[in-house]
Amino acid sequence: DVKVTQSSRYLVKRTGEKVFLECVQDMDHENMFWYRQDPGLGLRLIYFSYDVKMKEKGDIPEGYSVSREKKERFSLILESASTNQTSMYLCATTFGRVSGNQPQHFGDGTRLSIL
Amino acid sequence: SQQGEEDPQALSIQEGENATMNCSYKTSINNLQWYRQNSGRGLVHLILIRSNEREKHSGRLRVTLDTSKKSSSLLITASRAADTASYFCATVPYPGYSTLTFGKGTMLLVSP
Repeated sequence: DVKVTQSSRYLVKRTGEKVFLECVQDMDHENMFWYRQDPGLGLRLIYFSYDVKMKEKGDIPEGYSVSREKKERFSLILESASTNQTSMYLCATTFGRVSGNQPQHFGDGTRLSIL
Repeated sequence: SQQGEEDPQALSIQEGENATMNCSYKTSINNLQWYRQNSGRGLVHLILIRSNEREKHSGRLRVTLDTSKKSSSLLITASRAADTASYFCATVPYPGYSTLTFGKGTMLLVSP
């Protein structure tokens, strides 16, 4: 089974801090994704990556950046955290170059609170 | 941008009953996927149905797709308390597209 591990289940940070959320997968999948999930808004794609050092903006990239230095690890960075970034953050992976034809495998999420 | 819209937003049934959730979408699709999310956890993939398919089964799950109506339904037969979760549909608009667009989900509560 694919295992997608997010470094923290719960995280509390202060406004203005630089926040790192880490995601690691063990199945050599090419594609990795970061979503945020908010009540009433569903899942929204922040960034995704289809290869090492490659990244593509999703629907809501503002205020975020990403890093993928190794195939198995995809980091989401909040450059200067704000209260409106309080949310559940979900990482996902898929196999293969044409990732839309494959199921996505999700981690358990990081519930981030910005105070 | 939101593509799929699930209906109803919430559904409450008794164990043993069937649960039907619907998903409508706006533009043509290459495939449509259904996911389940237990409270506080990540999403789990259930079924992928391609645009040239009309129906797929997996255990107690049955998914139908009507591309003329731009809609899909997920049927869970003989529901169990463990089926309590949120269910999401997600669409891929054309072959080679890399990302999914998720709906807002249906929250299913199955009471013993």
